[in-house]
Amino acid sequence: EDKVVQSPLSLVVHEGDTVTLNCSYEVTNFRSLLWYKQEKKAPTFLFMLTSSGIEKKSGRLSSILDKKELSSILNITATQTGDSAIYLCAATHPSYNTDKLIFGTGTRLQVFP
Amino acid sequence: DADVTQTPRNRITKTGKRIMLECSQTKGHDRMYWYRQDPGLGLRLIYYSFDVKDINKGEISDGYSVSRQAQAKFSLSLESAIPNQTALYFCATSEPTSGRTQGQFFGPGTRLTVL
Repeated sequence: EDKVVQSPLSLVVHEGDTVTLNCSYEVTNFRSLLWYKQEKKAPTFLFMLTSSGIEKKSGRLSSILDKKELSSILNITATQTGDSAIYLCAATHPSYNTDKLIFGTGTRLQVFP
Repeated sequence: DADVTQTPRNRITKTGKRIMLECSQTKGHDRMYWYRQDPGLGLRLIYYSFDVKDINKGEISDGYSVSRQAQAKFSLSLESAIPNQTALYFCATSEPTSGRTQGQFFGPGTRLTVL
């Protein structure tokens, strides 16, 4: 059965800390891995990773995929209270000509001043 | 205006009632999806549609039905709601090309409570 596992489930840090969120996957015919940030309601897209070892960056956030280890990490440096959210990762695999998303349960990050 | 809208945003209903959740999008995307989110279980796919004539079951379709009335509209129905359908429901859209670079775009969600 395809699955995506995230760790830790929850993380509490202080502003300025650096955090690393983990995502591992077991997905048949894996195509890509996505990271989303979910604040109050709708998940918003952060990154899509398809190639192993190539880091994607957006401001203080960065992510990398390791296809040998079937995993990805999301790093957030110099965290701010606005980074508090649930971070979701999802793996895609081809199905009926579309990329179905298999989501992990998420990591809840709380950043305190 | 939001690209993906959902109505209602919150709904409380009783066991056995028929409920319809609606989703509209202005992104012009052909593909639309319905997910539910439960604490500790992440998002799970209920149904997805590639166009008006193409509807497919997701991993947890039992107890749900959908209708794709137009390219921009995709509704989810619970024919006879039960308490374990209490959850946060999301609609999402994507395109064949943008879906491979930007993933899916999510609506704001509908919080449904079945008493």
